[in-house]
Amino acid sequence: SYELTQPPSVSVSPGQTASITCSGDNLGNKYVYWYQQKPGQSPVLVIYLDSKRPSGIPERFSGSNSGNTATLTISGTQAIDEADYYCQTWDSSTALFGGGTKLTVL
Amino acid sequence: QVQLLQSGAEVRKPGASVKLSCKPSGYTFSNFYIHWVRQAPGQGLEWMGIINPSGGSTSYAQKFRGRLTMTTDTSTTTVYMELSSLTSEDMAVYYCARGQPPPAGFSNNYFDPWGQGTLVTVSS
Repeated sequence: SYELTQPPSVSVSPGQTASITCSGDNLGNKYVYWYQQKPGQSPVLVIYLDSKRPSGIPERFSGSNSGNTATLTISGTQAIDEADYYCQTWDSSTALFGGGTKLTVL
Repeated sequence: QVQLLQSGAEVRKPGASVKLSCKPSGYTFSNFYIHWVRQAPGQGLEWMGIINPSGGSTSYAQKFRGRLTMTTDTSTTTVYMELSSLTSEDMAVYYCARGQPPPAGFSNNYFDPWGQGTLVTVSS
C-alpha cells in the first residue's frame, strides 16, 4: 500500500526558513496537500494542489512537489507557525496522510 | 463564512454504534462533497470516507467498509456518520471537512474547512 513519510520533527529559529518534506513513491505524479494543526484545534489547509495557497494563508507558506518528495516551505518562520503539519495525497481512491511533522520554533 | 458544526462528545461501550452529525453553513449544502477524518489521541489523521450530499453516493476507506455508513438529510442540510462494532481503537476525535464540488475527482479533493471535531470515547 502507498505510504507518505514525514520527519517526526523539525526545528527552526524565528525568521529562518523551515522545510518539511513528505516522501512517497513517484509522489510528483500526484497532487499533494498540506495541513497545519495547532494543539487542541482542527487542521487548517495551508497548501493545495502542490503549491497553491488558500486565501488567508500568509505568503510565507509555499509548496513544491517533484520526483518522490513534496516540500512545505515556511519562509521567515514565526512563533505562531509552531504546529503539527500533515501532508496528504490520494491513492486508489483513498486519501492518505503522512505521519505528521512537529515544527518547533526556537 | 463557511462553517461545519459537529455534534457533541459521545461515550459508547465496546460493540456499540455511534452516529455523529455535521451541519455545514455558509454555502449551498448540495454543492460540495463532505469527508470524514479521524484522529486517535496523540496520533495522526486518518481518512474514513466521502459523501456527495447531492444524491448521497459514498466511498469508504477499505478499513471501514462493512461498519461505516454516511448519510445526508437534505431537509436539515445535515451529514451523518455512523460507525458500528466499536472497539477501543475507535476512540478518537472525528472531523467532518468540506471537499470540492462534484464531479471533482478524488485526486483534486482536499479538506477545507474542517469542523470542530467530536470526541468519541469507547470504554466499558
